[in-house]
Amino acid sequence: EVQLVESGGGLVQPGRSLRLSCAASGFTFDDYAMHWVRQAPGKGLEWVSGISWNSGSIGYADSVKGRFTISRDNAKNSLYLQMNSLRAEDTALYYCANLDFGAFDIWGQGTMVTVSS
Amino acid sequence: SYELTQPPSVSVSPGQTARITCSGDALPKQYAYWYQQKPGQAPVLVIYKDSERPSGIPERFSGSSSGTTVTLTISGVQAEDEADYYCQSADSSGTYRRVFGGGTKLTVL
Repeated sequence: EVQLVESGGGLVQPGRSLRLSCAASGFTFDDYAMHWVRQAPGKGLEWVSGISWNSGSIGYADSVKGRFTISRDNAKNSLYLQMNSLRAEDTALYYCANLDFGAFDIWGQGTMVTVSS
Repeated sequence: SYELTQPPSVSVSPGQTARITCSGDALPKQYAYWYQQKPGQAPVLVIYKDSERPSGIPERFSGSSSGTTVTLTISGVQAEDEADYYCQSADSSGTYRRVFGGGTKLTVL
């Protein structure tokens, strides 16, 4: 079964750090670029970050640039998002998704990050 | 930063045709993609590369492009089509970035 499973979310205080993980199965992970997309409660989708299959190309939304770092381990079929200096506005459900023909084809169910004191 | 603009809401009666637009300056140069999201669920791709339909997506979903506007058309709308719809494209500035529209709530009356 083709699957993406996110983990690592939780409640964290402003200014602290959190590392999200995304485990892939059922497809050839290193054939695809991977991305993180988030959705604040009751709001729309927001692209966060993306990484090419070999980590050679990386991009970040302006809202997270300099605070978040995306990485991947193809040997472990895993994608990561290191989130530092977290803010209340980072509170959201974080999805990982693969990129196929330019589209976000496979999505996980998301992991919730809540930034609050 | 690059933006995609969608209407916040569209309402149609069952059996009618719904059209959801998405506007952006780079759309003549970049493909658009459409996602359907129902409450409590992850988004699902319904159109890719402006007008291609993934396997398993009903034929009543179609996409088109004209200049800086792309359109998702749902013909013969059914109650189950009530959802939020998002367009998405790539930032044409050359950076490895993507962007979503603000989303459109489709209400089936």
